[in-house]
Amino acid sequence: DAGVTQSPTHLIKTRGQQVTLRCSPKSGHDTVSWYQQALGQGPQFIFQYYEEEERQRGNFPDRFSGHQFPNYSSELNVNALLLGDSALYLCASSFRTIYGYTFGSGTRLTVV
Amino acid sequence: AQTVTQSQPEMSVQEAETVTLSCTYDTSENNYYLFWYKQPPSRQMILVIRQEAYKQQNATENRFSVNFQKAAKSFSLKISDSQLGDTAMYFCAFSGEGGSEKLVFGKGTKLTVNP
Repeated sequence: DAGVTQSPTHLIKTRGQQVTLRCSPKSGHDTVSWYQQALGQGPQFIFQYYEEEERQRGNFPDRFSGHQFPNYSSELNVNALLLGDSALYLCASSFRTIYGYTFGSGTRLTVV
Repeated sequence: AQTVTQSQPEMSVQEAETVTLSCTYDTSENNYYLFWYKQPPSRQMILVIRQEAYKQQNATENRFSVNFQKAAKSFSLKISDSQLGDTAMYFCAFSGEGGSEKLVFGKGTKLTVNP
C-alpha cells in the first residue's frame, strides 16, 4: 500500500521564479494538506484541499496556491519566490478523519 | 489561536534508559486531539502516539506513553527502553475536534539516543 508520494525531492529555484510541487495521497485518502517547515522549526499549515476545493487556509500570502485533482492528488504552487520560501514542504493526506494523517517525505526547496 | 510549546530544544539519553519529552499547549476548546510525531533524518513525519482530550486514560503504544494533564494543558511523551532508532526530532501537535482539522505543531525536541 503506497504511502504519500511527493515530487520532486529537492529543488533549487531563483528568487522571483515560480515553482510547482506535487503530492499523491495514500490510497483511500481524499484530503490533502500542505505544510511548510523552515529549518529548525515545526511545520506550519499552508492549506487543505477536499473535493477539489480549498477548505482551510493558514496564514500564508496569496503567492501560495494549490489545486486538487479528481484523483485526489494535489499541487502546491508558489509564485514570485522569496529567499524566505526556502523550506521543506510536507504533504499530508487523510480520509476525513484526524486519525489518518499520513505524511510524505517532503520536497526540499532552496531559493537562491 | 492554539499554540504548542516544547521547552526542550535538545535532549539525550543512554540506550535502554527512559526519557520524557515535555509539551504544553493553549486552547479554549474542550474537545481536541494531541499527537506526538517523530521526524528522523529521512524527513518523513511519523505518528508515534495520539490522545483524545475527552479520554482520561493516558495513551500507550508499546514503549511510548503519554502523561496527559488536561487542566494543566500538558502532554508529555515518555519513551521507555530507548533504542538507537529513536534518535530523531519529536514534535508535539494539536488539532481541533473537527473531522479534518489542521495540525498545529511545536518547534520540536531533538532527541539523541547514545550507545
